[in-house]
Amino acid sequence: KQEVTQIPAALSVPEGENLVLNCSFTDSAIYNLQWFRQDPGKGLTSLLLIQSSQREQTSGRLNASLDKSSGRSTLYIAASQPGDSATYLCAVLIMIYNQGGKLIFGQGTELSVKP
Amino acid sequence: DGGITQSPKYLFRKEGQNVTLSCEQNLNHDAMYWYRQDPGQGLRLIYYSQIVNDFQKGDIAEGYSVSREKKESFPLTVTSAQKNPTAFYLCASSNRGLRETQYFGPGTRLLVL
Repeated sequence: KQEVTQIPAALSVPEGENLVLNCSFTDSAIYNLQWFRQDPGKGLTSLLLIQSSQREQTSGRLNASLDKSSGRSTLYIAASQPGDSATYLCAVLIMIYNQGGKLIFGQGTELSVKP
Repeated sequence: DGGITQSPKYLFRKEGQNVTLSCEQNLNHDAMYWYRQDPGQGLRLIYYSQIVNDFQKGDIAEGYSVSREKKESFPLTVTSAQKNPTAFYLCASSNRGLRETQYFGPGTRLLVL
């Protein structure tokens, strides 16, 4: 059974710091991995999607890496800003025979960036 | 504007009552999903539908029911059989295909009176 774990559960950093969020998964048979952002009481916004054949994806100050063989992904945020404060969730897409794709989520890392 | 809408934003349920959460999308997506989120936890899949008039149970389907009569709509009913319904409910949609991301609605918070 696929399980996704995110460490740490919460992180507080001063503005301007570079930081890394971690995500691990137990089964390397994934089709892709996504990082989402969730603001309090809101829905999820997709930040980066890495296909299983890719090693990393970049968008602005965000860089996500994927190491399928070790079951790990990291989200790197450069020069953090107070507006980056949110919960960050990673999710892996697995296939279920005859039923299509299914996302398995980690529990999230709550990030607080202090001015 | 293209997107996913959920209503209501807050919903209160009395004991023994069934309530229905609405989810509508105008993205022309084939697949739609319902997730439940409890505090400090990730999302858990309740039901999903890959195509109109078809849907499958997710990991925590007990006490819930869905219908998919139209491509753009995927309502979720929380029945009286769901003994712990207080949670944040999120609807999502995507094009079918392994490379497609899921787009999420703003969520509905369900509270029990």
